[in-house]
This record gives sequence, structure tokens and C-alpha cells, in this order.
Amino acid sequence: DAGVTQSPTHLIKTRGQHVTLRCSPISGHKSVSWYQQVLGQGPQFIFQYYEKEERGRGNFPDRFSARQFPNYSSELNVNALLLGDSALYLCASSLSPDPNEKLFFGSGTQLSVL
Amino acid sequence: EDQVTQSPEALRLQEGESSSLNCSYTVSGLRGLFWYRQDPGKGPEFLFTLYSAGEEKEKERLKATLTKKESFLHITAPKPEDSATYLCAVAVRGSTLGRLYFGRGTQLTVWP
Repeated sequence: DAGVTQSPTHLIKTRGQHVTLRCSPISGHKSVSWYQQVLGQGPQFIFQYYEKEERGRGNFPDRFSARQFPNYSSELNVNALLLGDSALYLCASSLSPDPNEKLFFGSGTQLSVL
Repeated sequence: EDQVTQSPEALRLQEGESSSLNCSYTVSGLRGLFWYRQDPGKGPEFLFTLYSAGEEKEKERLKATLTKKESFLHITAPKPEDSATYLCAVAVRGSTLGRLYFGRGTQLTVWP
């Protein structure tokens, strides 16, 4: 079975631009979470979606938004990019939004903002 | 404020030299503690979930334990393929649904 897939794997943008990152969860998983991992740090929670509804939001500005589609895939959008947005963006899927449910992570999208 | 602190930041071991990684947490109410392994350029890979003090889980050369304030990941007779960053994360009662709080990780290097 395919794991969590993310695209693109790498992306280079300039300040002020916007970016869209995509995630396909494991088949049968209805919950998708997004995390930001800055080099040398642990992942930080951005959003969780379940059944196409936002179920949780971390401490990120409104420039960050996301959505989940009927097939449970998800997009993360970031507007007005800043240098500090450079990071590895991780998508994780799980069967349910229960925080004790095991998360399966994709390999991430490495975003560089110049 | 809920916090997760991992130590040491980096650890170098010779193959076969056993050791332990520490994860201390300060949270309002623990729902679960997770250990993940992360290889360079990859996403974290699930290892263990622990729910209550006194609980232990094992997988191959790894053993995770939990107390009321910290968790240990014991590595017995490590091999070079165990080299990775080990992340600890907690789920907190009353927190944003689905949110995990991660530590910064311990970068483990095992040399032959």
C-alpha cells in the first residue's frame, strides 16, 4: 500500500509569493494534519482536518490556510511568504482525529524562501 | 505552557554501546506520549505510544518507558542502522484536537 505522498518534494520561492503544498493520505485515512519543521527543531502543528472540516489549528498566522477534499487529500496554502517560512512541511494522516491515533508522515516538502 | 524537552541533543555511540535518551514533559494532562524516528530528508516514523506511568514497550533493540514526568528510550547494543534523530511528542488533554507537541529530538550516531 502507498504511504502518505506529498508534492512537490522541493520548492524555491521568493518573499511575498504564495505557495500550495499537496498531500494524499493513506487509503482509508480520513484525517490529515500539517506540521512545519524548521531545521534543528521538532515539528510544529499547523492544522488538522477530518471529514473536510478543520478540527484543529496551531499558532500560525492567517497567511497559512488549508483545506481537505472529498477524496481526503489536502492542500496547505501559504500567502505572502517570509524568509522564516523556510522549512520542511510535513503531512500526516491517521484513521481518526483522536490525538492518540498513530500518525503516518509523508517525506515532506522542503520549502526555501529567498 | 506545555513543554517537551529532549536530552541530550546529540549522542555518539560505538556499535554495541547501550545508552538511553531522555524526554521530559511538563503538560497539564497527558493523553499519550509518542516516540518517532526521523531519518535525514524523511518524515518521522512511528515507534511507540505510552499512555500511563509504569508502561513499557519494546521493539527490537529499543525499549520505551514512561514515568509521571519523563520517558526514556533505551537502546541496547545499537547498530549503525539505528543512526537517526529520535523525536518525542505528547498529546495533551484539553488541547487542540489532534495536536502533538514535539521535542527538538536527539540526533543519534552509531559508529562501527
